Amino acid sequence: DAGVTQSPTHLIKTRGQHVTLRCSPISGHKSVSWYQQVLGQGPQFIFQYYEKEERGRGNFPDRFSARQFPNYSSELNVNALLLGDSALYLCASSLPSDTQYFGPGTRLTVL
Amino acid sequence: AQRVTQPEKLLSVFKGAPVELKCNYSYSGSPELFWYVQYSRQRLQLLLRHISRESIKGFTADLNKGETSFHLKKPFAQEEDSAMYYCALSGLYEDSNYQLIWGAGTKLIIKP
Repeated sequence: DAGVTQSPTHLIKTRGQHVTLRCSPISGHKSVSWYQQVLGQGPQFIFQYYEKEERGRGNFPDRFSARQFPNYSSELNVNALLLGDSALYLCASSLPSDTQYFGPGTRLTVL
Repeated sequence: AQRVTQPEKLLSVFKGAPVELKCNYSYSGSPELFWYVQYSRQRLQLLLRHISRESIKGFTADLNKGETSFHLKKPFAQEEDSAMYYCALSGLYEDSNYQLIWGAGTKLIIKP
């Protein structure tokens, strides 16, 4: 198993655009969580999905949305991008209430 | 408010010296605490969690509820310990869901 995979690796967008980030969990993991990590800070929780349902939401605006597909992969969508959305976006998968395994992240730059 | 504080952004020690990475938390219930590590050019990975009480790569961490701390310790640092270390807390957020709340991280540099 390749572990958690994320695509793309890097992304450059301009303000006002929309972005979709993708995550494939470890085989057998049904829970996926998304985090935003701004340079110099720890990760900030955005969403958690389990069995295709949202199980948790962090303190992020409605411009951020996500979904989980029947194969447990997940997408994070961000609308109306702001400069402050520039960050590393991390995806983690896990078994229920168990250790989270992280992907390599997607580096988003908003110009 | 739930919070994790890692007071040191950078910690530099010589090889063979003891290491202590500090972590303090604020949480009203019974938290679950973790240490994650990120080596250069690698992804975040779990180092240890307080409920397992394991020693991983020579590191230990004890949950001190009185001092609300979960400091990470190693008696003799090795050069391969150089990495970014994050303390995290799993707790109930707004009474609705559990989240991992993270500290800002401490960069550990082991000098030869």
